[in-house]
Amino acid sequence: QQKVQQSPESLTVSEGAMASLNCTFSDGTSDNFRWYRQHSGKGLEMLVSIFSDGEKEEGRFTAHLNRASLHVSLHIREPQPSDSAVYLCAVSIGNMDYKLTFGTGTSLLVDP
Amino acid sequence: GALVYQYPRRTICKSGTSMRMECQAVGFQATSVAWYRQSPQKTFELIALSTVNSAIKYEQNFTQEKFPISHPNLSFSSMTVLNAYLEDRGLYLCGARDNQAPLFGEGTRLSVL
Repeated sequence: QQKVQQSPESLTVSEGAMASLNCTFSDGTSDNFRWYRQHSGKGLEMLVSIFSDGEKEEGRFTAHLNRASLHVSLHIREPQPSDSAVYLCAVSIGNMDYKLTFGTGTSLLVDP
Repeated sequence: GALVYQYPRRTICKSGTSMRMECQAVGFQATSVAWYRQSPQKTFELIALSTVNSAIKYEQNFTQEKFPISHPNLSFSSMTVLNAYLEDRGLYLCGARDNQAPLFGEGTRLSVL
């Protein structure tokens, strides 16, 4: 069964400093990776999706994928206090793309 | 634009009673609909998944007897939490997709007294 772990559990950064979040997965056949965030009391907002090794940028959010290392990361450029939220990594496999396994989450706090 | 609408946003029920929640895909035809639960201090767990021309598939630890799902078409789905107890508390998310990435609603937050 797929295991998805995120680190760190919580992260505090200053406004404008780069924030880096990590996600490891256990099933090497995984090929769909998405980063979501969840503001307090809200649902999920998708930030970026990536399906092949390398990087994918969506605005201030950049995902890096290294499938050989079973690792995907999210980097947030120039974070703002409004980016404070829980960030979730979600992994799925090919034709099971509709079945997402979520990570444990990283709680990000951006200090003004 | 495409979005997923969930109703109600928040609900409270007494222990042992049941609660029905709804999910509607707006602006697109969903080929699959998935229900997830986020329990306190936990991440999202898949409850069940329905796809076009397939029966609803429940994940381990979740059953149709406890979480019956109805979907007259894949743009509308409802799920009931039967005989809710404290361990059923949490945020229930509906995710629907066509050929794009899953879109999620804002969820139904269930509290059990």
